Amino acid sequence: AQTVTQSQPEMSVQEAETVTLSCTYDTSESDYYLFWYKQPPSRQMILVIRQEAYKQQNATENRFSVNFQKAAKSFSLKISDSQLGDAAMYFCAYRSLYSGGGADGLTFGKGTHLIIQP
Amino acid sequence: GAVVSQHPSRVICKSGTSVKIECRSLDFQATTMFWYRQFPKKSLMLMATSNEGSKATYEQGVEKDKFLINHASLTLSTLTVTSAHPEDSSFYICSAASGRARLSYNEQFFGPGTRLTVL
Repeated sequence: AQTVTQSQPEMSVQEAETVTLSCTYDTSESDYYLFWYKQPPSRQMILVIRQEAYKQQNATENRFSVNFQKAAKSFSLKISDSQLGDAAMYFCAYRSLYSGGGADGLTFGKGTHLIIQP
Repeated sequence: GAVVSQHPSRVICKSGTSVKIECRSLDFQATTMFWYRQFPKKSLMLMATSNEGSKATYEQGVEKDKFLINHASLTLSTLTVTSAHPEDSSFYICSAASGRARLSYNEQFFGPGTRLTVL
């Protein structure tokens, strides 16, 4: 079974600064997907960024980028130019690449509560 | 992006009653739907996976007789919490994915969640 660990229950950053959220995972699979999801107070899960394990290039989506270290099983999220709207719970998630005829569910970390200081 | 709705958004019920939560994909056909449970300030835990027209696959530790899942159409899945008790109080979130192809990326689209409170 796969596990996802987020060791930072809470992080705080000044508006316009950069913050990095950590995530490590454990798996015996060689191919998989990794995700960062944002959950604002509305509780709606929002996909922030996705990384395919077979791609060496780190994924980037505007101000959001990841540092994917496959050998170390590490997948951190960097948020640049932090904005007040970035305040939320951030969850790291894992999904197997190979699905038996359908999609696979996600394994989530415990989340990091990100606070943006104005 | 694709839209997934859940109904109701909030429900309060008495202990011993059953509660049904609906999850609908509004603008795409969802061959697979997932049900997650989230305790306050906790992570999401996958409860079960349902493929349209098939029986749901439950995760270890989830009582299938307690949490009945039906995925009768490509746009609707229901979760029924039977004989609910206070410990079943939680936030239930569904997600939906389209496509069955292996090796393809089937993005999951999440519903807004349902808060269940059992008195």
